[in-house]
Amino acid sequence: DVQVEESGGGLVQPGGSLRLSCAGSGYIFGSYAMDWVRQAPGKGLEWVAGISGGGSTTYYADSVRGRFTISRDNSKNILYLHMNNLRPEDTAVYYCVRESGYCLGVWGQGTTVTVSS
Amino acid sequence: QSALTQPRSVSGSPGQSVTISCTGTSSDIGGFNYVSWYRQHPGKAPQLILFDVNERPSGVPNRFSGSKSGNTASLTISGLQSEDEADYYCSSFAGSYTYYVLGTGTKVTVL
Repeated sequence: DVQVEESGGGLVQPGGSLRLSCAGSGYIFGSYAMDWVRQAPGKGLEWVAGISGGGSTTYYADSVRGRFTISRDNSKNILYLHMNNLRPEDTAVYYCVRESGYCLGVWGQGTTVTVSS
Repeated sequence: QSALTQPRSVSGSPGQSVTISCTGTSSDIGGFNYVSWYRQHPGKAPQLILFDVNERPSGVPNRFSGSKSGNTASLTISGLQSEDEADYYCSSFAGSYTYYVLGTGTKVTVL
């Protein structure tokens, strides 16, 4: 069964940092591009960042470029999202997603990040 | 990176059909045949229901169909069922800089 599972969410003060992790299982992890998508409370989905299967190419939404870094460790089947200089508007459920072709194919259950003093 | 535009809500009675529009630009929907749709029930993670405009993943019933014309894509749900009551989001691949753009979301209500 193909699965992705996020961890690492929590409460952080404005200006702080947090690292999210996502473990993939049931497939060859390094063969698939991966993404992070977030959803603020009561709001819609927002694509945040993406990374190629080998990890050499990364993509970012304008809202997080320069503050967030997506990376992966294919030897451990883990995807990361390093978040720096966090703002209250970054408060959201963060979903890890495995791409399938040119779509967001397999979603995790999400991990909640709250940025508040 | 503007979100794709969807109606806030649509509704229909059981058995009826509803259609959700998704409007973008020539840089996303109009430039690629990579439109996908997602269903999200309250408190749950989104689930892929259509990809590549009108392809269904395994397990998704053929009541769900998609189309695209110019910069606008559409999702049609035929034979509406109570379990279809959820939020629906469109998405489009948008090239190597913007990458993915998502829609504003549509709440489907089954009357």
